[in-house]
Amino acid sequence: DAGVTQSPTHLIKTRGQHVTLRCSPISGHKSVSWYQQVLGQGPQFIFQYYEKEERGRGNFPDRFSARQFPNYSSELNVNALLLGDSALYLCASSWDRGDTEAFFGQGTRLTVV
Amino acid sequence: GESVGLHLPTLSVQEGDNSIINCAYSNSASDYFIWYKQESGKGPQFIIDIRSNMDKRQGQRVTVLLNKTVKHLSLQIAATQPGDSAVYFCAPNAGGTSYGKLTFGQGTILTVHP
Repeated sequence: DAGVTQSPTHLIKTRGQHVTLRCSPISGHKSVSWYQQVLGQGPQFIFQYYEKEERGRGNFPDRFSARQFPNYSSELNVNALLLGDSALYLCASSWDRGDTEAFFGQGTRLTVV
Repeated sequence: GESVGLHLPTLSVQEGDNSIINCAYSNSASDYFIWYKQESGKGPQFIIDIRSNMDKRQGQRVTVLLNKTVKHLSLQIAATQPGDSAVYFCAPNAGGTSYGKLTFGQGTILTVHP
């Protein structure tokens, strides 16, 4: 079985631009969460989606948004990119919205210049 | 806010030794905990989890101990191998109605010398 897949793997954007990151969860998993990992730190929670609805949001500005599709895949959108948005963006999937095993993808490395 | 800390940010061991990685958490509402291993350039890899109704759980070569009284976890790795070299994170859940939200500390760098 395929694990959590994310695309693209690497991305370079200019300040002020918009970016869309994509995630496909493990087959059968209905919950997708997004995390931001800045170099040298642990991942920070951005969003959780379950059954296409936002179920949790971390302390991130409104420039960050996400959605989940009927097939449970998800997109993370970031508008008006700042240099500080440069990070590894991780997607984690789990079968339920609750406290169950969460499996991460390889991440998308975003560099804002 | 939630804070998760680690007693030893770096740990260096010889191959074959046992390793112990410690983690302190601050949110007394946390009732589910996951340990992750992250290798350079990769996403975190699930190692083992434990719920608050347990104080010990064993996996293959790994054991997690939970002390809720002092809000402390440890991950023990038996017969550490060079392939175990990575950054290790403990990730408590946020507790309450914050389902599925995990809180990560800065991690512990484990280096295993052949």
